[in-house]
Amino acid sequence: AQSVTQLGSHVSVSEGALVLLRCNYSSSVPPYLFWYVQYPNQGLQLLLKYTTGATLVKGINGFEAEFKKSETSFHLTKPSAHMSDAAEYFCAVTLYNQGGKLIFGQGTELSVKP
Amino acid sequence: GAVVSQHPSRVICKSGTSVKIECRSLDFQATTMFWYRQFPKQSLMLMATSNEGSKATYEQGVEKDKFLINHASLTLSTLTVTSAHPEDSSFYICSARDWQGEETQYFGPGTRLLVL
Repeated sequence: AQSVTQLGSHVSVSEGALVLLRCNYSSSVPPYLFWYVQYPNQGLQLLLKYTTGATLVKGINGFEAEFKKSETSFHLTKPSAHMSDAAEYFCAVTLYNQGGKLIFGQGTELSVKP
Repeated sequence: GAVVSQHPSRVICKSGTSVKIECRSLDFQATTMFWYRQFPKQSLMLMATSNEGSKATYEQGVEKDKFLINHASLTLSTLTVTSAHPEDSSFYICSARDWQGEETQYFGPGTRLLVL
């Protein structure tokens, strides 16, 4: 069965600094990978996804992630943090034969200091 | 982009009453919708998978008689919390999967349920 691990339940960066949120997965077959962002008391918004093709995926709000099969990773990055990036971030995985059922990581809370 | 709405956004009810939460896909047809529950500072827990025109599939440990799910059309799924109790208080989030099988779920804004 597949699983997702997000390293670090809380990450704090300064405004303008690099954002790196880590996500590792386990899967016996090639996965589909997602990053979602959640602001307080709101639902989840899709940042980006990897299904097939180019392993470097660009998303909204300047975020990108790279699928590295050899490392079973899908880390999320942004070159320069903005105050508005402060939120909870979830990495998720599904397989092509899972009917769309997502398995979520435990989440990483990103804080941005002025 | 794909939009999913939920109604109500917040509900307070007395213990023993039933509460219905609606989830709608506004600009696409969703053959599959999912219902999640989220506790404070925690990840999303999948409760059930709802397929249009068929019975919902519940995850292990979720009481199907307590959390009734109806997926009556390609744009609407409802979750009814029957005989709600304080321990049912939570944030409930739905998501919808595009009917064309795109492997992306679009999430609703969530419903905050407080049972007194």
